[in-house]
Amino acid sequence: GQQLNQSPQSMFIQEGEDVSMNCTSSSIFNTWLWYKQDPGEGPVLLIALYKAGELTSNGRLTAQFGITRKDSFLNISASIPSDVGIYFCAGNSGGSNYKLTFGKGTLLTVNP
Amino acid sequence: DGGITQSPKYLFRKEGQNVTLSCEQNLNHDAMYWYRQDPGQGLRLIYYSQIVNDFQKGDIAEGYSVSREKKESFPLTVTSAQKNPTAFYLCASSIDRGETQYFGPGTRLLVL
Repeated sequence: GQQLNQSPQSMFIQEGEDVSMNCTSSSIFNTWLWYKQDPGEGPVLLIALYKAGELTSNGRLTAQFGITRKDSFLNISASIPSDVGIYFCAGNSGGSNYKLTFGKGTLLTVNP
Repeated sequence: DGGITQSPKYLFRKEGQNVTLSCEQNLNHDAMYWYRQDPGQGLRLIYYSQIVNDFQKGDIAEGYSVSREKKESFPLTVTSAQKNPTAFYLCASSIDRGETQYFGPGTRLLVL
């Protein structure tokens, strides 16, 4: 089956620092999604990417759909304490395969 | 406001009892999904439904059952056959299969 490798597993940073995390896939995806999950809550969609090479921003967040269609990264600039949480990537290969494949998440801790 | 609701937030049950988790959406989405989340793991798909009165098994359907009698509702029953039911359960929906999924707040099930 499809595999998604998300890294790093966890990050500890100081408030104000920039953060980068990425996902790589064993197969080509048509859609990349980035979610954030707070403890005890459901994942919230941050950014959706639908086209190879696409670079999309949402406030301090920027995500890119890799040209090879097998990877994506998420950057957070000038981190703040409320950025704490687990960030998940997810991908879909399209066509008859409508299932999302999820990464295992990156736990972000921001020290004020 | 449009969204996905799951109830209850926390659920306790004795071993051997069936339990039903509620998921309702007012987004007019055709497709709905149930996922299971365990610590340190990515989300795993239990069941999905593309349209009313139709549903398909996901990757870990054993010990679970669903129904889709109404577009807005997709309840999940955790049966006594599920060997390790304690987990965080997430419901999601999308406009159509394969489209971007939006999640509910989750139900934490603890089987004693």
